[in-house]
Amino acid sequence: EPEVTQTPSHQVTQMGQEVILRCVPISNHLYFYWYRQILGQKVEFLVSFYNNEISEKSEIFDDQFSVERPDGSNFTLKIRSTKLEDSAMYFCASSGRGAANTEAFFGQGTRLTVV
Amino acid sequence: SQKIEQNSEALNIQEGKTATLTCNYTNYSPAYLQWYRQDPGRGPVFLLLIRENEKEKRKERLKVTFDTTLKQSLFHITASQPADSATYLCALGETSGTYKYIFGTGTRLKVLA
Repeated sequence: EPEVTQTPSHQVTQMGQEVILRCVPISNHLYFYWYRQILGQKVEFLVSFYNNEISEKSEIFDDQFSVERPDGSNFTLKIRSTKLEDSAMYFCASSGRGAANTEAFFGQGTRLTVV
Repeated sequence: SQKIEQNSEALNIQEGKTATLTCNYTNYSPAYLQWYRQDPGRGPVFLLLIRENEKEKRKERLKVTFDTTLKQSLFHITASQPADSATYLCALGETSGTYKYIFGTGTRLKVLA
């Protein structure tokens, strides 16, 4: 069964450092997403991406965040200067169609710890 | 203010019974509503999607209803099994063109053997 893979599974970084979280979406999917989940809280939308550009983003996705599809398989989330409050589980997801009426397949997540 | 509320943080039921989970929303007009399952430390797994013009959707032991007047969705698991124990999340898609889903806080279900 096809799946979304994320690396690393856990990343510890110092406050102020840049981190890049990596995702390999399902191969024939065209729509990609990042969500995050702070421990004990709800899953929150960050950004959606299609055709090499951002389709939608939330207020959380400020100038510290950026996304990129550097090649045909990877989708990355960069946080330029991490803050303590960026500590969370970050989930990548992909879907075959981009409208809301389609299921999203989520990866297993990257746990980001900012110290 | 906008809110999505899912019933009680934890729900315990006996194996074989029907679990009913609630998702209530305020100040949204979702075009779509999805239910996901999330196990500890894992990503959400899609279960069912229901559209605003649909009253009910079924898949095997799962059933979802969607009442846009009450602003509520109910999620049922019939003949529950201990393997159904997980956190269940509802998520709203506000418009037909949106790519963004807004998740509820989830209900932790425990099915007792």
